[in-house]
Formats: sequence, C-alpha cells, structure tokens
Amino acid sequence: QVRLQESGPGLVKPSETLSLTCTVSGASISSYDWHWFRQLPGKGLEWIAHISYSATTDYNPSLNSRVTISVDTSTNQVSLKLYSVTNADTAVYYCARGGGGWGQGTLVTVSS
Amino acid sequence: EIVLTQSPGTLSLSPGERATLSCGSSQSVSSYLAWYQQRPGQAPRLLIYGASTRATGIPDRFRGSGSGTDFILTISRLEPEDFAVYYCQQYGSSPYTFGPGTKVDVK
Repeated sequence: QVRLQESGPGLVKPSETLSLTCTVSGASISSYDWHWFRQLPGKGLEWIAHISYSATTDYNPSLNSRVTISVDTSTNQVSLKLYSVTNADTAVYYCARGGGGWGQGTLVTVSS
Repeated sequence: EIVLTQSPGTLSLSPGERATLSCGSSQSVSSYLAWYQQRPGQAPRLLIYGASTRATGIPDRFRGSGSGTDFILTISRLEPEDFAVYYCQQYGSSPYTFGPGTKVDVK
C-alpha cells in the first residue's frame, strides 16, 4: 500500500520561502508521476505542480513561476518550494501520486 | 485554461437514493476526467479516472460516464458515508483544473 505523508513548517512569514516535503512509502518514487495540490480555507482545490517519473516538471502559471517541484530518490521524497509567499498562500497542501492516492495534507499559515 | 462547472451546487438526498452529479468542461478533455470525494476534515479520495474507471477499492455503486465536455457521476444507492463533497478534475490539459464541487447532503 502506497502511503504519502506531507511535512512542513506550519507557519511561514510573508515574503519567505515555503518548503514542503512528501515522504512516500510502499512505492519507488521514480516509478510514478507526483503532484502537489492545495486547498484554500473553505474553498476548492487547486493544482500547483507536477513532476513525471522522468523528472519532467509542469507548473500552474497562476503561481507566476514562484514554485519548484523536485524528487529525491535517495530518500523517496517529493519536495515543493513556494517562494515569496503571501497571506493568499495560506492553505492545506497535499501531495498525490499521479492517478492514485493523496496524503492527508499539511496546513500552512502565512502570517507575520 | 479549461474551466469546469459542476451542477447542482448542493444535492439533498436520503440514504438509499440515487445521486446524479454533472461536470461540464469549457473544451474537450477527451476522457481525461477524474472524480474525487472529500469528506469533512479529510483529503480528497480518487473515485474515478479516465471518466469511467473506478479507482482501486471504490465500490461499484459509483459509476462515471461521459467524454469530451459532459460527464456524469452516479451513485446508485447512497450510503451514509457517501454524504460529502464531490469534485471533478480534468487532466487532459495543463493547468489541471477542478470544478467547484457538488455537496451531497442529507435531506
């Protein structure tokens, strides 16, 4: 069974960089595509970024090039960096396997 | 960017009833359409991908249909755990977008 666990700082100050990690167990990270999504408080779902099994990346243009997705095969983790955060980036962030399950999510609050 | 619409916004039904949820796309996504269920406080759960293929472990009371721009999710007989919000998502064209959701609540 594939399990995904997001981890992050919980609280980030405006203008700083948000760094999130998704630890994958039960599957080799290099065998699948991976995504990051987010859900703003009380709102719907937004796709952020995608990395393929061959390390091709794809980003939501609404984030204005503020985001980077990467994988670390040595630790079986998928990472997301979101630069220059604002209050509008406060959300629950989820990682997901392409066409598969999602992690439980991690709440990130942007506040000074 | 492809815009997805969902109707109705809220569907009020009783356990045992049939639920029919619609998802429309601003342009064709072929069969690159998924349905998710989200219960309060939980992560979304993949129900259907490829417009009509049930994900692993999804009961057969969930059925997806459609292609192109019009899609339907049918829940044949609502169980208590089915009362939740349902989202459609297209993954045929980046950015991969979601519909606003349909809430299925207890009548």
